[in-house]
Amino acid sequence: QQQVKQSPQSLIVQKGGISIINCAYENTAFDYFPWYQQFPGKGPALLIAIRPDVSEKKEGRFTISFNKSAKQFSLHIMDSQPGDSATYFCAASNSGSTLGRLYFGRGTQLTVWP
Amino acid sequence: DAGVTQSPTHLIKTRGQHVTLRCSPISGHKSVSWYQQVLGQGPQFIFQYYEKEERGRGNFPDRFSARQFPNYSSELNVNALLLGDSALYLCASSRRDGYEQYFGPGTRLTVT
Repeated sequence: QQQVKQSPQSLIVQKGGISIINCAYENTAFDYFPWYQQFPGKGPALLIAIRPDVSEKKEGRFTISFNKSAKQFSLHIMDSQPGDSATYFCAASNSGSTLGRLYFGRGTQLTVWP
Repeated sequence: DAGVTQSPTHLIKTRGQHVTLRCSPISGHKSVSWYQQVLGQGPQFIFQYYEKEERGRGNFPDRFSARQFPNYSSELNVNALLLGDSALYLCASSRRDGYEQYFGPGTRLTVT
């Protein structure tokens, strides 16, 4: 059973455009929602994360929007650049269980073309 | 500061063999988690260790085992390898609360 559902599976965006990736979860005990960026042959890199007590968090060109009632959260990449082309994973964890075991979505392959 | 390091980078084994993968966490991090990432999918949780004790185990068979050493480094062992064990094995370290997990580059295991 997939604890975190991610869409779309792939995304093509023009340089300078906005990339939007969506995730949904069912377990209301989740209290931490990170996004990871992974380049081919590399491990996932922590990009940005949010806790459910805020509805939005922004770091540079990356923004997480969080909707607790809908159990959804999304990543927005503003002014997308070719260097942003990578696979993005959303994840969720519950600090009350195994010290933050991460449940990952299936990933979104983002391609930003010039 | 050095990030999470893993060794070896790549490994080729045949079915039935045993493999040991190693991980060194970020300095000051006491928790280590192991994940398996099959091509085209998100990482799947295998184990979490904190202060040398197992704190969590994912849905993996008993062929998978791990341990954490006094210096907080960790080993993942897989016995009786199957073709389906071919994957990227990732190690992540974090402080006690486990919220911010930082991943290493992974070990690419190929079972033939």
